[in-house]
Amino acid sequence: SQQGEEDPQALSIQEGENATMNCSYKTSINNLQWYRQNSGRGLVHLILIRSNEREKHSGRLRVTLDTSKKSSSLLITASRAADTASYFCATAPVGSNYQLIWGAGTKLIIKP
Amino acid sequence: DSGVTQTPKHLITATGQRVTLRCSPRSGDLSVYWYQQSLDQGLQFLIQYYNGEERAKGNILERFSAQQFPDLHSELNLSSLELGDSALYFCASSVVGRPNTGELFFGEGSRLTVL
Repeated sequence: SQQGEEDPQALSIQEGENATMNCSYKTSINNLQWYRQNSGRGLVHLILIRSNEREKHSGRLRVTLDTSKKSSSLLITASRAADTASYFCATAPVGSNYQLIWGAGTKLIIKP
Repeated sequence: DSGVTQTPKHLITATGQRVTLRCSPRSGDLSVYWYQQSLDQGLQFLIQYYNGEERAKGNILERFSAQQFPDLHSELNLSSLELGDSALYFCASSVVGRPNTGELFFGEGSRLTVL
């Protein structure tokens, strides 16, 4: 079963606006990672946030983690056309040393 | 460029056939992971190798097998292919043996179409 579930499934916004995607999970985790996938291409790692961290920044990306709600959000500020992609969260459940559990992704479209 | 190389990029074959997908990890990475991504879906973990040995198994069908060679490249063998096996197959690599401790580097994938 899916551990991480992204919400929304699809998001379409105007260039320059902020985009927020959410990821919910079911069991306790060691960390959570976000990846980006351009259409038909390989995934690219964006950011990793550990269970004892609440917020992390990387350029225009801001990731938050709320372990009490078992959820994370990815905020992309001042979106650009090049941000058009699918975004996946991957969780590392406690006690599962070797597997990441992937969500189905959020498809983000940035309109020029 | 992630440094992970996958071949072939595209493959079209018929049901019942067998194919081999190849992956060369980033220089220095000991772990190789195989994932399957069906149309517009998330990633399904298939199998992981670490320094030549199988480390973890996911939802890999018995018709599928993999191995990692001494030079650390890996091959995924898919046999008795069915229409439902059509998908993007990704290889990823990492330095460490545990994918939950750091980032994975993905190849561009091999797109398999079974007709």
